[in-house]
Amino acid sequence: VQLVESGGGLAQPGGSLRLSCAASGFTFDDHAMHWVRQPPGKGLEWVSSITWNSVTIDYADSVKGRFTISRDNAKNSLYLQMNRLNTEDTAFYFCVRDKSSSGYLRFDSWGLGTLVTVSS
Amino acid sequence: SYELTQPPSVSVSPGQTATITCSGDHLGDKYGCWYQQKPGQSPVLVIYQDTERPSGIPERFSGTNSGNTATLTISGTQAMDEADYYCQVWDSSTAVFGGGTKLTVL
Repeated sequence: VQLVESGGGLAQPGGSLRLSCAASGFTFDDHAMHWVRQPPGKGLEWVSSITWNSVTIDYADSVKGRFTISRDNAKNSLYLQMNRLNTEDTAFYFCVRDKSSSGYLRFDSWGLGTLVTVSS
Repeated sequence: SYELTQPPSVSVSPGQTATITCSGDHLGDKYGCWYQQKPGQSPVLVIYQDTERPSGIPERFSGTNSGNTATLTISGTQAMDEADYYCQVWDSSTAVFGGGTKLTVL
């Protein structure tokens, strides 16, 4: 199992970034997927989840209305479109696989993360 | 919103048993997971469904969950177990993490 995030970097407050996660080593559409973030030196915070067929999507209140999760099963890829960024969004963003396909059970594989820094 | 509370730090001597708690309202009614995160690394699942160990996780890691408290126990703690540990549950399609516990082996 390999999950490789990309797209992180520096963004200005109010700006946008799009994160991508390339999955390999497993059947991508057999699994729900998630984004979890971690501000430097702090704890883990769940961001968003999506089932295998994109029918069910959930967001943390802190990002609802600003972030959009999506996936392309043909490309084995997961995405996170982040708009109206603020300094509290500064964090490492992890792409995470779920054991389940149609529900949420547990985070059984994690990527290495990509750092998003929001600063003027 | 649902909250999980962990002690910020726990210390243990090598070879002894480390116990890390996670408390939440009626936590025993939910399935809990535990994740280990070493410095500079991504988290790793060490316990799921309260008591189950993923393949590759040593037998010294065990878990319980009852009432308002879930517990991660590391028997015969080794220096390599020094890490941050996070409990996690699902609450109405929302994943909730505890604040994390830094385990020091000294």
